[in-house]
This record gives sequence, structure tokens and C-alpha cells, in this order.
Amino acid sequence: QVQLVESGGGVVQPGRSLRLSCAASGFTFSSYALHWVRQAPGKGLEWVAVISYDGNNKNYADSVKGRFTISRDNSKKTLYLQMNSLRAEDTAVYYCARGMSSDVVATIDRYWGQGTLVTVSS
Amino acid sequence: QSALTQPASVSGSPGQSITISCTGTSSDVGTYNLVSWYQHHPGKAPKLMIYEGAKRPSGVSSRFSGSKSDTTASLTVSGLQAEDEADYYCCSYARSSTWVFGGGTKLTVL
Repeated sequence: QVQLVESGGGVVQPGRSLRLSCAASGFTFSSYALHWVRQAPGKGLEWVAVISYDGNNKNYADSVKGRFTISRDNSKKTLYLQMNSLRAEDTAVYYCARGMSSDVVATIDRYWGQGTLVTVSS
Repeated sequence: QSALTQPASVSGSPGQSITISCTGTSSDVGTYNLVSWYQHHPGKAPKLMIYEGAKRPSGVSSRFSGSKSDTTASLTVSGLQAEDEADYYCCSYARSSTWVFGGGTKLTVL
């Protein structure tokens, strides 16, 4: 069965960096686009970024553009989110989710991880 | 990238039907037939309920249906059941190859 498992969350000071990982199994990883979605405490879901099946196309929400970088290693079946210059407002549970197809125009499918909590605080 | 507009809350009694609206703009909902709906129980991963406006993934109850008119998408839940109580989010593809969620709607089954 399809599984997505996030890791790398934790407490980090403002201005510092953190890298999240999402390990996938149960499907042909290299055939699907992947998304990161976050949920701040008490808030709604917010789309963060998407990457195409081959890593050649990436797009970001304005709130993270220039600070976050999405990437993937198809040989390791792993998705990453490099988060730099972190701010208090980046505090959230971060979910990885599979797209329904290979391109960045891929609806977020039913397959989500359980999320990893990132807390930005001094 | 402004969030799509959803009502903060809706409620209904068991057996009744409710509809949740999701209002966007000509840059997202109004142009692309790529609206999806997710059910989210706190502490769990969101669940896809509707995609491409009105399509239902396998395994999702037929009590859930979606539609779209101009810049507003809607999710209807018929025959409300206690297990339907959750937060519901719409999501749409937008220009510049980005995606945008709605603010979320809390469904309460009375």
C-alpha cells in the first residue's frame, strides 16, 4: 500500500534552517508529482510547494518563495523540503502528499503522510 | 495567491443535506476545472473526497458530490452521518502553476 512518512521536524530558532524528508513506498515514486502542504496551529491547510515527477518543474507559494526549496531523489524514493530563514509564522505541521499525475498540474491525491511538526521559536 | 473563501462553519442534523461553498476568482476556480475537496479529522491525514470538481475517488461515499458554477465550487453532503463531522477544505489550481486552499469549513452534525 502507498505510504508517505515525513521526518525532520523539530524546534528551530528564527532565521535558522531545517530540512524535512518524506520517504515513500508502495508506488512508482518516479512517476508522480509531489506536494508539501502545511497547517499552522489552529489554522487551515496551506499549499507550500509542488515538484514534477522528474524534479525539473517546481512551484512555490508566495509565502515561502525564495526561502524554501523542494527537491526529490528518485533513486531513494524521497522528497525533501529545505527551509531557510525560518520565521515564527512557518510554525506548522508539514505534510507531504502525492499528486494524481506526473506534472505540477497534478491534483493532490488521497495519499498523505501523517505530518511532521516544525516549531520556529527562540 | 489569496485563499479561497469558505464559510467558517455549517451544521445539519443526521439525514439532512448540507452544502459548503468555495468562492475563488477568474485566476483559479473560474478558469480551471481542478477543484478538489478534502475531509480532515484533527490529528489525521486529510482525505480526498472530490477531484476535478465533481469526480469521486473510489471508496468515497456517493453521499458526497461536487459541482461548480463560475467562480464558486460546492460540496454537498447528503444523508448526514455523525462520522461526517470534520473540517472540509477546497483546493484549486491557480495561474503560475500554483495551488490554493480555502480557509476551511467546520461541519457539525447536530
